[in-house]
Amino acid sequence: DTGVSQNPRHKITKRGQNVTFRCDPISEHNRLYWYRQTLGQGPEFLTYFQNEAQLEKSRLLSDRFSAERPKGSFSTLEIQRTEQGDSAMYLCASSAQETQYFGPGTRLLVL
Amino acid sequence: RKEVEQDPGPFNVPEGATVAFNCTYSNSASQSFFWYRQDCRKEPKLLMSVYSSGNEDGRFTAQLNRASQYISLLIRDSKLSDSATYLCVVNQAGTALIFGKGTTLSVSS
Repeated sequence: DTGVSQNPRHKITKRGQNVTFRCDPISEHNRLYWYRQTLGQGPEFLTYFQNEAQLEKSRLLSDRFSAERPKGSFSTLEIQRTEQGDSAMYLCASSAQETQYFGPGTRLLVL
Repeated sequence: RKEVEQDPGPFNVPEGATVAFNCTYSNSASQSFFWYRQDCRKEPKLLMSVYSSGNEDGRFTAQLNRASQYISLLIRDSKLSDSATYLCVVNQAGTALIFGKGTTLSVSS
């Protein structure tokens, strides 16, 4: 499968714990994006990388959210001190040019 | 005002019906426009890009009116498999996609 992959697919955690999600983009794509989707809403943009450079992070929801793409390939999204309101689907997308291709998402439930 | 607004529906139509979805966007600097399809508990998938000249892909026709900041999607001869949520999407600066809430379509036999 040469599409975008995300791990884990599901994560249940307790409030206050830290969680980290991984995204592996399509191999030749230099751009990588993170989005969050809550029930009944469209995906909401969080942050964007071009190669290893994080070019847009102003829409990260709070300072508890951070993302990295250290070698310009896979990326991680970390949420520290999770809150129940962080429960959502976290989607990763990648692109070479304009069209963004999405991974299957990581569904987070914070108890 | 939300950046991208869509009627959430649901639209319930019989097989074979023609259905139209509309969407408006607020930022006149938006550069590119798309319709994505999302099945329940799945990721969004690109259905088609939208151009001012209008474009058609089989039973699907998309149209953009930049002056009115309005995007449409027409589905002809609806199939059961068309049942999904249709997301109107704009791209403002070549990076972030801005999504509407989505319009839910249910096609029944």
